[in-house]
Amino acid sequence: KNQVEQSPQSLIILEGKNCTLQCNYTVSPFSNLRWYKQDTGRGPVSLTIMTFSENTKSNGRYTATLDADTKQSSLHITASQLSDSASYICVVRQQSSASKIIFGSGTRLSIRP
Amino acid sequence: GAGVSQSPSNKVTEKGKDVELRCDPISGHTALYWYRQSLGQGLEFLIYFQGNSAPDKSGLPSDRFSAERTGGSVSTLTIQRTQQEDSAVYLCASSLEDRRLTYEQYFGPGTRLTVT
Repeated sequence: KNQVEQSPQSLIILEGKNCTLQCNYTVSPFSNLRWYKQDTGRGPVSLTIMTFSENTKSNGRYTATLDADTKQSSLHITASQLSDSASYICVVRQQSSASKIIFGSGTRLSIRP
Repeated sequence: GAGVSQSPSNKVTEKGKDVELRCDPISGHTALYWYRQSLGQGLEFLIYFQGNSAPDKSGLPSDRFSAERTGGSVSTLTIQRTQQEDSAVYLCASSLEDRRLTYEQYFGPGTRLTVT
């Protein structure tokens, strides 16, 4: 079964600290993986996309990694800010099927001052 | 430019009533998706429209759910005879599309549906 599992389910850290969110997937055949940020009451917004051949990609203070062999991805947030408080969703897309997009249930991140 | 918009932002309805949810995608986006998001759950795929092709309805949970996309632009999701388990946030997304499936989905803010 095609699944995307994220951990931890929730995380609280102090402002300025770093954190890493995990995503494991069993989706096959794999096309690409995105990390989305979803603020409360808003729709998800893409942070980064990883394709099969990419290992690391950065977007400001966000760095995503992908290990296609072990089917794992991580999102590292550096020097967290209060505005980073949100849900972070890992999304994996299957090849050859535009509608087969599998969403993880997200990690709820809270940044405390 | 304008993003994806959805209306209403909140809808409270009585069990058994019909509801219509509207999505205005980004102009020029050929692909449109509807999802349902329940508290603490991942997004659940409902239906996908791509250009003039027949929609992928494989995610619709029952025949009470239907959707249409008029003129390749605005889409309406209709839920008939609503049940309490239909309570959720309904999200719409649009995107360009290509064979590599790498284009980003742009999401609307969602419609929060509460069935009492």
